[in-house]
Amino acid sequence: KQEVTQIPAALSVPEGENLVLNCSFTDSAIYNLQWFRQDPGKGLTSLLLIQSSQREQTSGRLNASLDKSSGRSTLYIAASQPGDSATYLCAPLGEYGNKLVFGAGTILRVKS
Amino acid sequence: DVKVTQSSRYLVKRTGEKVFLECVQDMDHENMFWYRQDPGLGLRLIYFSYDVKMKEKGDIPEGYSVSREKKERFSLILESASTNQTSMYLCASSHPFWRGSRGLAKNIQYFGAGTRLSVL
Repeated sequence: KQEVTQIPAALSVPEGENLVLNCSFTDSAIYNLQWFRQDPGKGLTSLLLIQSSQREQTSGRLNASLDKSSGRSTLYIAASQPGDSATYLCAPLGEYGNKLVFGAGTILRVKS
Repeated sequence: DVKVTQSSRYLVKRTGEKVFLECVQDMDHENMFWYRQDPGLGLRLIYFSYDVKMKEKGDIPEGYSVSREKKERFSLILESASTNQTSMYLCASSHPFWRGSRGLAKNIQYFGAGTRLSVL
């Protein structure tokens, strides 16, 4: 059974810092991995989807990397802003199903 | 612009009531999902559907049922609501992961805004 761990559980940084959020998963047989953002009391917004054959995927100030064999993904946020404050979740998709397995998330607070 | 719409943002129900949570998507997605989200437990899959009238149990189906009569609509039903079903409920939809023709955007799950259900 896939288990997903996100470290750190919470992070507070001053505005402008570059930061890295970590995601590890126990079953490397994945098709892709998604990073989501969730604002308090709201639904999830997909930020990046990285295929199992890819090493990196970029969108604006966000860069996601994937090392499938070691069961790790990182989300890099450049030049953080207060508007980046949210919970970030990673979710790998297993090769034999349509179901995502979610980590517990990293709560990010960017202070102005 | 893609859209997943949940019928209610907040609901308050009494123990024993039958509760319907509705979800509609306008992206012609085959897959639809219901999750619940609780502090400390994260998102857990209740049920998902990969086609009209097709359903599959997720990790925590007990106390819930679902209905998918039309492709765009997926309903979650609490037959007899209990206080331990107080939670945030999230609906999502996606194409199947084998839809390779849609390039890198395939299989992204799109979420609704959520329904916060309180059972008293």
